[in-house]
Amino acid sequence: QLLESGGNLVQPGGSLRLSCAASGFTFSRYAMSWVRQAPGKGLEWVSGVGATGVTRYYAGAVEGRFTVSRDNSKNTLYLQMNSLRAEDTAVYYCVKGREYSSGEVDWFDSWGQGTPVTVSS
Amino acid sequence: DIQMTQSPSSLSASVGDRVTITCRAGQTIGTYLNWYQQTPGKAPQLLIYAASNLQGGVPSRFSGSGSGTEFSLTISSLQPEDFATYYCQQSYDTPGTFGRGTRLE
Repeated sequence: QLLESGGNLVQPGGSLRLSCAASGFTFSRYAMSWVRQAPGKGLEWVSGVGATGVTRYYAGAVEGRFTVSRDNSKNTLYLQMNSLRAEDTAVYYCVKGREYSSGEVDWFDSWGQGTPVTVSS
Repeated sequence: DIQMTQSPSSLSASVGDRVTITCRAGQTIGTYLNWYQQTPGKAPQLLIYAASNLQGGVPSRFSGSGSGTEFSLTISSLQPEDFATYYCQQSYDTPGTFGRGTRLE
C-alpha cells in the first residue's frame, strides 16, 4: 500500500513537500517514482529514485526545482517541490517500480491514491 | 523524449465486444511497453508489462502484443468494469513517456 500526503494549495514560487508511506512490501528493495496527472489530462512521469536512494532521475520540466529522496528506515518516499508554477498543478501519485531498479525508467505495479497540488495565487 | 501515440483517442463499444487499442512509439523500443487502466476518480493500475505479460490479478480477457514501434492491447469480451481510460507507457528510455490515453465508453 502507498499513502501520499502533503498536497495543498500553494502560491506560484512557493514550496511543498510530498510524502509517501509504503507498507506491505520490502520498501528498500524497490525503485520508486512520482507520476503526476494535471486536471483532465494524461500521465506524466516526474521523478524516480533507485532502491538505495543513490540514483535519482527527473523529468526535464522539473529538473532543478524538484528533489526526490527516500528514507528506507521509515519506508517513506519524498518529493520536495520548489519554485512551483501553475503548470505543476496536478494530482501526484507515488508509484512502485521494479526490484533493485535504478529508478531511471520502470513500469509501475502499485500506485497510491494520489495527493492534489494546486499552484495558484 | 520518445513520443507515444495511441489510437483511437476514444472508442465506443458494448459489453461482450472485442476491442483493440493501438500504441505507436516514435522509435523502436523492443518490448518495453506497458499498459495501464484508469477508471474515473481512481489511480491507474498496471494491466500488461513488457508488451505481453499479464500483471497478477488482471483478468485473462486482457492481452498485449507487439514489438519495435507497434503495440496493441486487446480486450476479448468487454465487461462493464472495463469502461475506462487506457494508457500505454514506454520503459525503454528515460523519461518513461505515456500515451495520451484511449477512453473506452
